[in-house]
Amino acid sequence: EVHLVESRGGLAQPGGSLRLSCAASGFTFSDYEMNWVRQAPGKGLEWVSYISGSGRNIFYADSVKGRFTISRDNARNSLYLRMNSLRVDDTAVYYCARVGLLYRLLDMDVWGKGTTVTVSS
Amino acid sequence: QSALSQPPSVSGSPGQSVTISCTGTSSDVGSDNGVSWYQQAPGTAPKLMIYEVGSRPSGVPDRFSGSKSGNTASLTISGLQAEDEAVYYCSSYTSNNIHILFGGGTKLTVL
Repeated sequence: EVHLVESRGGLAQPGGSLRLSCAASGFTFSDYEMNWVRQAPGKGLEWVSYISGSGRNIFYADSVKGRFTISRDNARNSLYLRMNSLRVDDTAVYYCARVGLLYRLLDMDVWGKGTTVTVSS
Repeated sequence: QSALSQPPSVSGSPGQSVTISCTGTSSDVGSDNGVSWYQQAPGTAPKLMIYEVGSRPSGVPDRFSGSKSGNTASLTISGLQAEDEAVYYCSSYTSNNIHILFGGGTKLTVL
């Protein structure tokens, strides 16, 4: 069965750092593009970052560009999001999501349950 | 990049049809970049319901359909059921500077 499981998020202070990971199982991870999407409390969905299957192509939302870094380790079937210079408005549930095979990059057919990141002093 | 525009809420009675609109620009919804729709029930992750404007992933009932005209996409749910009550998000992307966009979400209430 196909699964995506995000690591525990956590609490960080403004200006601090956190790293999220997402463990994939049940499919050939390297074949699939991946996204991180977040949802602030009581708000809508916000795309954060995209990475191609090889890791060669990467895109970021303007709100996180220069602060967040997406990466993947296909040998470990894992996706990562390194978050630096965290701000209070980065507080959200973070989802990793798989792009469907041969789908466009916005078509995410499998999602993790999400992990909560709280940025507060 | 601005989010796509959706109505905050819609409602309908069981068995009726409802349509949710999603308005963007010629750079996203109105382009050839595709439109997707996601369903999110409370406390759960989003679920892909429609991709490529009007295609359904396997397992999604054919009560759900999508269309597009110009810069506005639409999701229609026919034969409303109680289980359809959720928040629905549209999505597209800009191709000149790749950014995935989401609408603000529309809460569907089944009366």
